[in-house]
Amino acid sequence: GAGVSQSPSNKVTEKGKDVELRCDPISGHTALYWYRQSLGQGLEFLIYFQGNSAPDKSGLPSDRFSAERTGGSVSTLTIQRTQQEDSAVYLCASSVTIRQPQHFGDGTRLSIL
Amino acid sequence: AQSVTQPDIHITVSEGASLELRCNYSYGATPYLFWYVQSPGQGLQLLLKYFSGDTLVQGIKGFEAEFKRSQSSFNLRKPSVHWSDAAEYFCAVGASDYKLSFGAGTTVTVRA
Repeated sequence: GAGVSQSPSNKVTEKGKDVELRCDPISGHTALYWYRQSLGQGLEFLIYFQGNSAPDKSGLPSDRFSAERTGGSVSTLTIQRTQQEDSAVYLCASSVTIRQPQHFGDGTRLSIL
Repeated sequence: AQSVTQPDIHITVSEGASLELRCNYSYGATPYLFWYVQSPGQGLQLLLKYFSGDTLVQGIKGFEAEFKRSQSSFNLRKPSVHWSDAAEYFCAVGASDYKLSFGAGTTVTVRA
């Protein structure tokens, strides 16, 4: 079956622009997670969804970051007014429900010029 | 706070030799523990997990890991490595019902 799908795989944009990153989880997975992977910080938890609700947004680095999930499926992570420190690989994962193994997509590599 | 330590940043091993990657965690309760592998340009692939029960867990690709509560460790092993095992390996603890806390990773190089 299909795994977690993320798009785009690569995104290059100018500082100050807004970007949207998309995640399509494994069908039937109710929980969805966003992580960020960067050289200096390693793998960091950003946010998770149970259904369409985001009970924990504590990992979002600033108010420039937001995420939503619709229909209990696709999720979008939006970064407004991008900064160079936002350059990283953004990974999405999903699981059947919480407390179950998380399955990761291949990530979106974001580069801010 | 939960934390995961992978003491070895980089390990080089000969093809056919055994491999052991170390992982120590700090967590107040019984943890959920995972090992993931990441090849360049790809996401994380789950190798194995420990939730409860038998402390020696088997995973994919011939990997196994042993949970030792007394040592707060969850080391990953493989008896005989293949060139395709060259990758970065991450140990993770379920820091809550939903949040994974990852170690910094260990890069494995396999020499012929």
